[in-house]
Amino acid sequence: DQQVKQNSPSLSVQEGRISILNCDYTNSMFDYFLWYKKYPAEGPTFLISISSIKDKNEDGRFTVFLNKSAKHLSLHIVPSQPGDSAVYFCAASANDKIIFGKGTRLHILP
Amino acid sequence: DAGITQSPRHKVTETGTPVTLRCHQTENHRYMYWYRQDPGHGLRLIHYSYGVKDTDKGEVSDGYSVSRSKTEDFLLTLESATSSQTSVYFCAISHGRNTEAFFGQGTRLTVV
Repeated sequence: DQQVKQNSPSLSVQEGRISILNCDYTNSMFDYFLWYKKYPAEGPTFLISISSIKDKNEDGRFTVFLNKSAKHLSLHIVPSQPGDSAVYFCAASANDKIIFGKGTRLHILP
Repeated sequence: DAGITQSPRHKVTETGTPVTLRCHQTENHRYMYWYRQDPGHGLRLIHYSYGVKDTDKGEVSDGYSVSRSKTEDFLLTLESATSSQTSVYFCAISHGRNTEAFFGQGTRLTVV
């Protein structure tokens, strides 16, 4: 049973516009959330995280929003750049485990 | 890279043979994880370790065992490899609970 869900397998966004990637979770014990970016043939790279005591965290072009009541988080990338084309994984942590979603492939269009 | 080395990087093995993948870190991080990545499944947690000799199961642990006899090494063993274990395996490390994990470059394992 999937505890972390990324329901959009892919997303296409025009260069310069905002990319919004979504993630839902089912386990209310999760208290720390992370986003990773992955290029082919490489390991995932950490992007940004957020603790459950916060509702927003920002780092440069990346902002993560957390809605605990809805068990939903989102990653905003503004402005989107060609190098942002990759697979993005949402992850959640509880009891020493880090559980990942299936990923969303982001295509940045010229 | 955050001082993580996975070996081997590529391996082809026959069904029924034992296989051990190694993850070595130079960061002295407490937590270590093994994941597998498969199309349509994302990253799935196999086993993890929260200290020397302290390990626990993840989401897809059947057919896998692990050992951590020292801080820097976390071994993943397939006792008898099956074709369903063909995958890309990633090791990750983190220094504490609720901190980011850093990943290795991956090991591509093919079971024929």
